[in-house]
Formats: sequence, structure tokens, C-alpha cells
Amino acid sequence: QLQLQESGPGLVKPSETLSLTCSISGGSISSGSYYWGWIRQPPGKGLEWIGSIYYSGTTYYNPSLRSRVAISVDTSKNHFSLELNSVTATDTAVYYCVRSYGDYAGVWFDPWGQGTLVTVSS
Amino acid sequence: QSALTQPPSASGSPGQSVTISCTGSSSDVGGHNYVSWYQQHPGKAPKLMIYEVSKRPSGVPDRFSGSKSGNTASLTVSGLQAEDEADYYCSSYVGYNNLKVFGGGTKLTVL
Repeated sequence: QLQLQESGPGLVKPSETLSLTCSISGGSISSGSYYWGWIRQPPGKGLEWIGSIYYSGTTYYNPSLRSRVAISVDTSKNHFSLELNSVTATDTAVYYCVRSYGDYAGVWFDPWGQGTLVTVSS
Repeated sequence: QSALTQPPSASGSPGQSVTISCTGSSSDVGGHNYVSWYQQHPGKAPKLMIYEVSKRPSGVPDRFSGSKSGNTASLTVSGLQAEDEADYYCSSYVGYNNLKVFGGGTKLTVL
């Protein structure tokens, strides 16, 4: 059974770069049938799609974050990563990594990682 | 792109049925069959319950069903059980830029 696990710092200073990695177990990131992505949820609020990546490296980003976000893939380590630069307090959220299916860079998400809380604060 | 519109809360007694709506536009919900629904218990990650409007992943009870009419999608939970108490989110492809959006979430209470 495929499992996803996020890792990275839980505290990032304003204006710095948030970096997270999603490690995949029970499956290969190189499977051509899926996309791999990130979704975030500010405390007590709803969900926001950040972006996704195909194993070949092709990326797709939410236009509202495109200028600050980068998603990359490392097939040798079977993981993918998120970088979000110039963070502010509004980037404080639980960040989930997901496998996504379907057209348009994946239109449904399953499974989800357990999530990791990233707080932006000095 | 605005989030999809969901009622903030819904409730029902054990054994009853409850329907949660998700309203968008002709560009998103009404323009494609790419609506999905997620269940989230407190402190947990969301779980896929319905995809492509009405398809149920393996392992999801058939008490959960999805439908769509025009620009509004719906999730119906039949035979409510205590463990169904959770937040539910809808999601849809918005029709451009490979962008997906979510609804604001509905808190389902089992009375």
C-alpha cells in the first residue's frame, strides 16, 4: 500500500524559504500513471492546491503561488520536494503531499501524507 | 479563482441521510466531471471518498454517493453513523491552468 511521508523544518523565518520533502514507500514515483503534488491547509481553514509534478519533471503550479514555488522530483530517492520562497505568516499551514490522478495534472488526490505543520515566525 | 461554496454545517441523526452541496460555476463544477469529495477527521489528513462526481474508491462504504446537477455537486451520506462525523471538502478542476480548487468545507455532525 502506497504511503507518503512529509519531512522538513516546522519553523521558518519570514522572507526565508520553506523546504519540504515527501518520501514515497510501497510504490514508485516513476510510475507513469500519476502526478505527485502538494496541498496546504492553514490552521482552522480550508484546502489549497499548491502544485504537482510528473516523474519526468514537468511541473504545474497554482497561478497564485507560481512566482514563489518550485516542485522537484528525485527518482533515485523516490521522493519529491517543495520549495516556497519569501514566506510570510500567511504561509503558515499544514502541508500535505499527495498522489494525484487523472487529466489536467491530476484532478483527485489519493492517498495523502499525514501532513506537517509549518509555522512562519521570527 | 474563488473557492467552491459549501454550507458550513450539516447534521443528521444516526440512520438518517444527509446531503452536502458544493456550488461552483459553468467553468468548474458545471463544466467538467472532475468533482471529488474528501472526509477529514480532526487532526487527520483528508481521505478521498468520491471522485469524478460519483465514483467510489475501493474501501469507501456505499453509504457515500455523489451526484451533480448543473453547477452544483452533492455528496449524500445514507444511514448515518457516528464515525461519519467529520469535515467534508469538495474539489473541482476549474477549467484552465491545470488549477484545482476546494470548497470551504462542511462540518457534518451526527446528532
